[in-house]
Amino acid sequence: QQKVQQSPESLIVPEGGMASLNCTFSDRNSQYFWWYRQHSGEGPKALMSIFSNGDKKEGRFTAHLNKASLYVSLHIKDSQPSDSALYFCAVSPMTNSAGNKLTFGIGTRVLVRP
Amino acid sequence: GPKVLQIPSHQIIDMGQMVTLNCDPVSNHLYFYWYKQILGQQMEFLVNFYNGKVMEKSKLFKDQFSVERPDGSYFTLKIQPTALEDSAVYFCASSWAWGGYEQYFGPGTRLTVL
Repeated sequence: QQKVQQSPESLIVPEGGMASLNCTFSDRNSQYFWWYRQHSGEGPKALMSIFSNGDKKEGRFTAHLNKASLYVSLHIKDSQPSDSALYFCAVSPMTNSAGNKLTFGIGTRVLVRP
Repeated sequence: GPKVLQIPSHQIIDMGQMVTLNCDPVSNHLYFYWYKQILGQQMEFLVNFYNGKVMEKSKLFKDQFSVERPDGSYFTLKIQPTALEDSAVYFCASSWAWGGYEQYFGPGTRLTVL
């Protein structure tokens, strides 16, 4: 059964600083990797996806995937107070059946201090 | 952006009663999901649903659980009868397709079983 683990549990970053979030997964059959962000009182919202090994940059956010090492990360550059939220790593497997179940990590709580 | 709505936001019921959680998915989406999150724990996949059928369910999707989407209306999760361990936040999600397609989440329904 897939296990997704995230570290650190929480992170305090100064405004303008860099936040680094880590995620490991256990199933080598994993195919699709997502970072979701959840603000208080809302549902999770997809921040970005990564499906191939290497780096993927979208604005201030960079995701990194290394399937051989069972590792994915997210870096937030020039952090803003609005980036304060709970960040989830979510993984789904390659499958031949319709629909993709996501396995979530427990989340990293990021607080950006002005 | 596209929104998933969930009704109600909170529900308190007595153990043994029936409860129906309602989800209004994104209008042109074809795949529907329910996830369960117990306080302080990871969000966990319950079930996915496509073309009127359950495609995959987890061991958390007990016999007392059922899902349906009659005639393109709400996607519902019914629990009958409820148990104390059903207390959790239930998130509905929908996606246009499967594989690398984003799942859009609602804000959740907090269910308390007394």
